[in-house]
Amino acid sequence: AQSVTQLGSHVSVSEGALVLLRCNYSSSVPPYLFWYVQYPNQGLQLLLKYTSAATLVKGINGFEAEFKKSETSFHLTKPSAHMSDAAEYFCAVSGGTDKLIFGTGTRLQVFP
Amino acid sequence: GAVVSQHPSWVICKSGTSVKIECRSLDFQATTMFWYRQFPKQSLMLMATSNEGSKATYEQGVEKDKFLINHASLTLSTLTVTSAHPEDSSFYICSATGAGVPYEQYFGPGTRLTVT
Repeated sequence: AQSVTQLGSHVSVSEGALVLLRCNYSSSVPPYLFWYVQYPNQGLQLLLKYTSAATLVKGINGFEAEFKKSETSFHLTKPSAHMSDAAEYFCAVSGGTDKLIFGTGTRLQVFP
Repeated sequence: GAVVSQHPSWVICKSGTSVKIECRSLDFQATTMFWYRQFPKQSLMLMATSNEGSKATYEQGVEKDKFLINHASLTLSTLTVTSAHPEDSSFYICSATGAGVPYEQYFGPGTRLTVT
């Protein structure tokens, strides 16, 4: 079985500051891991994905995430936050099937 | 590439009526489509999984007679909310796999349903 835990339902940063959104997973098989972003009243857009290749994954909009098997983590980072990064972020895991298990989401606020 | 569309983007219907939401994969053949429901400020809840030409597989607690899913072709799946009630008001999102990357789902823009 798979599960995802996102620590922190809300994260607030200043514009230009580091963004760190935490995601821990549980999977009985080698996982595929995803980060999605959702803007209000819109669907989900894929930021990046880990599919058992490089452990440091670079995505769109300057985001990246590192797969750490020993810590069962897949935290999302961005060196410098922009106002346009304000949105809801979801971590998700797939354990060898098409079905995705989503975390509860983290709302990122960016202050000027 | 890998674009999924939904129609309509929003709909208002009266209690007791039925409403159909379409989900289309525009540039790839969707082997599997998923339907999610999202309440305000909450995560996505998987309602059902459908494969072309097969009956949908519903998640526990989802009423299959209320939420009818048809996956008639490799590019189209429909969700019909039958005898809608105000508690069915929600944001419905579909997604699809089959664009070549294993396990990656491509999401539609969502449909906002309001039942009055």
